[in-house]
Amino acid sequence: DAGVIQSPRHEVTEMGQEVTLRCKPISGHDYLFWYRQTMMRGLELLIYFNNNVPIDDSGMPEDRFSAKMPNASFSTLKIQPSEPRDSAVYFCASSFGTRNQPQHFGDGTRLSIL
Amino acid sequence: GQQVMQIPQYQHVQEGEDFTTYCNSSTTLSNIQWYKQRPGGHPVFLIQLVKSGEVKKQKRLTFQFGEAKKNSSLHITATQTTDVGTYFCAGGGGSARQLTFGSGTQLTVLP
Repeated sequence: DAGVIQSPRHEVTEMGQEVTLRCKPISGHDYLFWYRQTMMRGLELLIYFNNNVPIDDSGMPEDRFSAKMPNASFSTLKIQPSEPRDSAVYFCASSFGTRNQPQHFGDGTRLSIL
Repeated sequence: GQQVMQIPQYQHVQEGEDFTTYCNSSTTLSNIQWYKQRPGGHPVFLIQLVKSGEVKKQKRLTFQFGEAKKNSSLHITATQTTDVGTYFCAGGGGSARQLTFGSGTQLTVLP
Protein backbone atom coordinates (compact mmCIF):
# COMPACT_ATOMS: atom_id res chain seq x y z
CA ASP A 1 0.00 0.00 0.00
CA ALA A 2 1.21 3.48 -0.75
CA GLY A 3 2.05 5.59 2.26
CA VAL A 4 1.42 9.27 2.76
CA ILE A 5 2.68 11.13 -0.29
CA GLN A 6 3.96 14.67 -0.07
CA SER A 7 5.15 17.02 -2.76
CA PRO A 8 7.43 18.66 -3.44
CA ARG A 9 10.25 17.00 -1.50
CA HIS A 10 12.31 20.15 -1.57
CA GLU A 11 11.34 23.74 -2.20
CA VAL A 12 13.62 26.74 -2.36
CA THR A 13 12.04 30.10 -2.97
CA GLU A 14 12.52 33.75 -2.26
CA MET A 15 10.92 35.68 0.54
CA GLY A 16 7.51 37.00 -0.37
CA GLN A 17 6.62 34.21 -2.75
CA GLU A 18 3.63 31.95 -2.28
CA VAL A 19 4.42 28.37 -1.31
CA THR A 20 2.02 25.45 -1.65
CA LEU A 21 2.72 22.09 -0.08
CA ARG A 22 0.68 19.06 -1.04
CA CYS A 23 -0.30 15.87 0.70
CA LYS A 24 -2.11 12.69 -0.24
CA PRO A 25 -3.06 10.68 2.84
CA ILE A 26 -3.30 6.91 3.02
CA SER A 27 -6.53 5.75 1.43
CA GLY A 28 -9.22 5.19 4.04
CA HIS A 29 -7.60 7.34 6.70
CA ASP A 30 -9.98 9.95 8.09
CA TYR A 31 -7.52 12.11 10.03
CA LEU A 32 -4.88 14.31 8.43
CA PHE A 33 -2.25 16.31 10.28
CA TRP A 34 0.21 18.98 9.23
CA TYR A 35 3.40 19.39 11.27
CA ARG A 36 6.39 21.66 11.10
CA GLN A 37 9.80 20.55 12.36
CA THR A 38 12.74 22.79 13.19
CA MET A 39 15.81 22.34 15.35
CA MET A 40 14.68 25.10 17.68
CA ARG A 41 11.02 24.20 18.13
CA GLY A 42 10.96 20.49 17.40
CA LEU A 43 7.84 18.91 15.94
CA GLU A 44 4.88 21.28 16.04
CA LEU A 45 1.31 20.43 15.10
CA LEU A 46 -0.07 23.12 12.83
CA ILE A 47 -3.56 21.88 12.01
CA TYR A 48 -5.52 18.69 11.71
CA PHE A 49 -8.58 17.57 9.79
CA ASN A 50 -11.17 14.91 10.41
CA ASN A 51 -13.24 13.78 7.44
CA ASN A 52 -11.92 16.78 5.49
CA VAL A 53 -13.08 19.28 8.13
CA PRO A 54 -10.49 21.38 10.00
CA ILE A 55 -10.78 20.55 13.69
CA ASP A 56 -7.96 22.43 15.36
CA ASP A 57 -5.86 25.12 13.69
CA SER A 58 -4.51 26.63 16.89
CA GLY A 59 -0.98 25.69 15.87
CA MET A 60 -1.05 27.71 12.66
CA PRO A 61 1.51 30.43 13.37
CA GLU A 62 -0.26 33.33 11.69
CA ASP A 63 -2.61 34.38 8.95
CA ARG A 64 0.03 33.83 6.31
CA PHE A 65 -0.58 30.11 6.75
CA SER A 66 -3.69 28.40 5.45
CA ALA A 67 -4.66 24.77 4.91
CA LYS A 68 -7.41 23.09 2.96
CA MET A 69 -8.68 19.60 2.42
CA PRO A 70 -11.09 19.66 -0.53
CA ASN A 71 -11.52 15.88 -0.53
CA ALA A 72 -10.44 12.77 1.34
CA SER A 73 -7.38 12.23 -0.80
CA PHE A 74 -5.79 15.65 -0.97
CA SER A 75 -4.71 18.48 1.28
CA THR A 76 -2.65 21.63 0.82
CA LEU A 77 -0.74 23.89 3.16
CA LYS A 78 -0.15 27.34 1.77
CA ILE A 79 2.14 30.10 2.96
CA GLN A 80 1.59 33.55 1.50
CA PRO A 81 3.75 35.58 1.69
CA SER A 82 6.62 33.37 2.76
CA GLU A 83 9.35 34.57 5.14
CA PRO A 84 12.82 33.16 5.95
CA ARG A 85 11.63 32.06 9.40
CA ASP A 86 9.19 29.69 7.69
CA SER A 87 12.15 27.55 6.60
CA ALA A 88 11.59 24.09 8.07
CA VAL A 89 10.59 20.55 7.22
CA TYR A 90 6.84 20.23 6.86
CA PHE A 91 5.32 16.81 7.46
CA CYS A 92 1.89 15.53 6.63
CA ALA A 93 0.57 12.54 8.56
CA SER A 94 -2.64 10.55 8.48
CA SER A 95 -4.40 8.11 10.79
CA PHE A 96 -7.59 6.13 11.00
CA GLY A 97 -10.31 5.89 13.58
CA THR A 98 -9.63 8.40 16.33
CA ARG A 99 -7.37 11.39 16.79
CA ASN A 100 -5.10 9.35 19.10
CA GLN A 101 -4.37 6.46 16.75
CA PRO A 102 -0.85 5.89 15.39
CA GLN A 103 0.06 8.37 12.70
CA HIS A 104 1.72 7.60 9.39
CA PHE A 105 4.04 10.33 8.22
CA GLY A 106 5.01 11.33 4.73
CA ASP A 107 8.62 11.96 3.74
CA GLY A 108 8.18 15.68 4.34
CA THR A 109 8.86 18.83 2.34
CA ARG A 110 12.13 20.58 3.11
CA LEU A 111 11.34 24.27 2.64
CA SER A 112 13.98 26.97 2.37
CA ILE A 113 12.95 30.61 2.12
CA LEU A 114 15.79 32.86 1.01
CA GLY B 1 -2.44 22.68 28.18
CA GLN B 2 -1.05 19.19 28.16
CA GLN B 3 2.73 18.96 27.99
CA VAL B 4 4.91 15.96 27.28
CA MET B 5 8.50 16.27 28.40
CA GLN B 6 11.26 13.99 27.24
CA ILE B 7 14.76 13.49 28.63
CA PRO B 8 17.55 13.46 27.82
CA GLN B 9 17.58 15.69 24.77
CA TYR B 10 20.78 14.10 23.48
CA GLN B 11 22.57 10.86 24.26
CA HIS B 12 25.85 9.53 22.96
CA VAL B 13 26.69 5.89 23.64
CA GLN B 14 29.32 3.44 22.55
CA GLU B 15 28.03 0.63 20.42
CA GLY B 16 26.99 -2.19 22.72
CA GLU B 17 25.98 0.06 25.60
CA ASP B 18 22.39 0.38 26.76
CA PHE B 19 20.22 3.45 26.24
CA THR B 20 17.09 4.76 27.95
CA THR B 21 14.86 7.73 27.21
CA TYR B 22 12.11 8.95 29.52
CA CYS B 23 8.82 10.63 28.84
CA ASN B 24 6.64 12.49 31.35
CA SER B 25 3.20 13.97 30.85
CA SER B 26 1.63 16.77 32.84
CA THR B 27 -1.70 14.92 32.70
CA THR B 28 -2.91 11.33 32.73
CA LEU B 29 -2.82 9.77 29.29
CA SER B 30 -5.06 7.25 27.58
CA ASN B 31 -2.15 5.90 25.61
CA ILE B 32 1.49 6.56 24.78
CA GLN B 33 3.12 6.02 21.42
CA TRP B 34 6.76 5.87 20.43
CA TYR B 35 8.23 6.93 17.11
CA LYS B 36 11.70 6.79 15.60
CA GLN B 37 13.06 9.31 13.12
CA ARG B 38 16.26 8.47 11.30
CA PRO B 39 18.50 11.39 10.27
CA GLY B 40 16.92 13.04 7.24
CA GLY B 41 13.85 10.84 7.53
CA HIS B 42 10.36 11.06 8.91
CA PRO B 43 8.90 9.80 12.21
CA VAL B 44 7.97 6.13 12.03
CA PHE B 45 5.54 4.59 14.47
CA LEU B 46 7.10 1.93 16.70
CA ILE B 47 4.55 0.94 19.31
CA GLN B 48 1.53 1.97 21.36
CA LEU B 49 0.93 1.29 25.06
CA VAL B 50 -2.53 1.68 26.58
CA LYS B 51 -2.61 -0.18 29.90
CA SER B 52 -1.31 1.01 33.24
CA GLY B 53 2.04 -0.67 33.95
CA GLU B 54 2.20 -2.20 30.48
CA VAL B 55 5.53 -3.51 29.21
CA LYS B 56 6.15 -4.43 25.59
CA LYS B 57 9.27 -5.67 23.85
CA GLN B 58 10.47 -5.47 20.29
CA LYS B 59 13.74 -7.38 20.00
CA ARG B 60 16.24 -5.22 21.88
CA LEU B 61 13.70 -2.45 22.62
CA THR B 62 11.62 -2.46 25.82
CA PHE B 63 8.77 -0.01 26.30
CA GLN B 64 7.06 0.70 29.61
CA PHE B 65 3.96 2.69 30.56
CA GLY B 66 3.83 3.92 34.14
CA GLU B 67 1.27 2.80 36.68
CA ALA B 68 -0.25 6.28 36.81
CA LYS B 69 -0.25 6.51 32.98
CA LYS B 70 1.73 9.74 33.13
CA ASN B 71 5.18 8.48 32.25
CA SER B 72 6.87 6.06 29.91
CA SER B 73 10.31 4.83 28.99
CA LEU B 74 12.09 3.24 26.06
CA HIS B 75 15.13 1.10 26.78
CA ILE B 76 17.47 -0.25 24.12
CA THR B 77 19.78 -3.08 25.10
CA ALA B 78 23.19 -3.36 23.46
CA THR B 79 22.82 -0.49 21.01
CA GLN B 80 23.82 -0.85 17.38
CA THR B 81 24.67 1.78 14.80
CA THR B 82 21.28 1.12 13.20
CA ASP B 83 19.64 2.50 16.35
CA VAL B 84 20.85 6.02 15.52
CA GLY B 85 18.04 8.56 15.28
CA THR B 86 15.62 10.62 17.31
CA TYR B 87 13.08 8.83 19.48
CA PHE B 88 9.82 10.63 20.19
CA CYS B 89 7.10 9.76 22.61
CA ALA B 90 3.58 11.00 21.94
CA GLY B 91 0.83 11.11 24.51
CA GLY B 92 -2.79 10.55 23.59
CA GLY B 93 -5.89 11.53 25.54
CA GLY B 94 -5.64 13.53 28.70
CA SER B 95 -6.49 17.18 28.30
CA ALA B 96 -5.28 17.43 24.73
CA ARG B 97 -7.51 17.08 21.69
CA GLN B 98 -4.82 15.21 19.78
CA LEU B 99 -1.50 13.45 20.21
CA THR B 100 1.09 15.58 21.98
CA PHE B 101 4.64 14.84 20.88
CA GLY B 102 7.60 15.11 23.20
CA SER B 103 10.72 17.01 22.16
CA GLY B 104 12.56 13.80 21.32
CA THR B 105 15.85 12.21 22.35
CA GLN B 106 18.57 12.21 19.73
CA LEU B 107 20.65 9.06 20.01
CA THR B 108 24.15 8.80 18.59
CA VAL B 109 25.87 5.44 18.62
CA LEU B 110 29.64 5.53 18.33
CA PRO B 111 31.20 2.51 16.64
